[in-house]
Amino acid sequence: SQQGEEDPQALSIQEGENATMNCSYKTSINNLQWYRQNSGRGLVHLILIRSNEREKHSGRLRVTLDTSKKSSSLLITASRAADTASYFCATDAGNFNKFYFGSGTKLNVKP
Amino acid sequence: DGGITQSPKYLFRKEGQNVTLSCEQNLNHDAMYWYRQDPGQGLRLIYYSQIVNDFQKGDIAEGYSVSREKKESFPLTVTSAQKNPTAFYLCASSRTSRYNEQFFGPGTRLTVL
Repeated sequence: SQQGEEDPQALSIQEGENATMNCSYKTSINNLQWYRQNSGRGLVHLILIRSNEREKHSGRLRVTLDTSKKSSSLLITASRAADTASYFCATDAGNFNKFYFGSGTKLNVKP
Repeated sequence: DGGITQSPKYLFRKEGQNVTLSCEQNLNHDAMYWYRQDPGQGLRLIYYSQIVNDFQKGDIAEGYSVSREKKESFPLTVTSAQKNPTAFYLCASSRTSRYNEQFFGPGTRLTVL
């Protein structure tokens, strides 16, 4: 079974609004990562948060991790039309060379 | 440019044929991976390799085979035993340290006719 699951499956917002997507996982992890995929393309790494970290920032991205709840969230602030993509979380399930991806959140940012 | 390449971008196969998808990286990464992505779905791990001449099955290895004879190359063969091979195939590579990101290729879209 998949380790990570994103919620919601789809999200549609106006440009300038914030977008929040969540990821839940099942077993202990060393780290959790978020990736972005534009339609028909490969994935691009956005941010990695270690299991002993609670929050991390990168530009307009903010990621939180709650290991007690086995969940993470990705916040994109001041969204742009160019942020339209699918976003995936990936966990290592304790094996740092094997990754599990969720089914993704499809974000649509309307101009 | 450093990166990871996949070829071809589109591939068409007749039922009963084996096909091989190419994946090459010049990032000097030890680990390489193959994933399958179906429409609207996440990525499922087919095979992964942490070092040359060694590889492990992922969650959906049946009907697929790989080799890792060179550090830079990790080709995937989709055999006729794979019941439903039409999908988007993604190759990735990474370092083998504890905290590492994966770098993805652009993908190969395989269609069985």
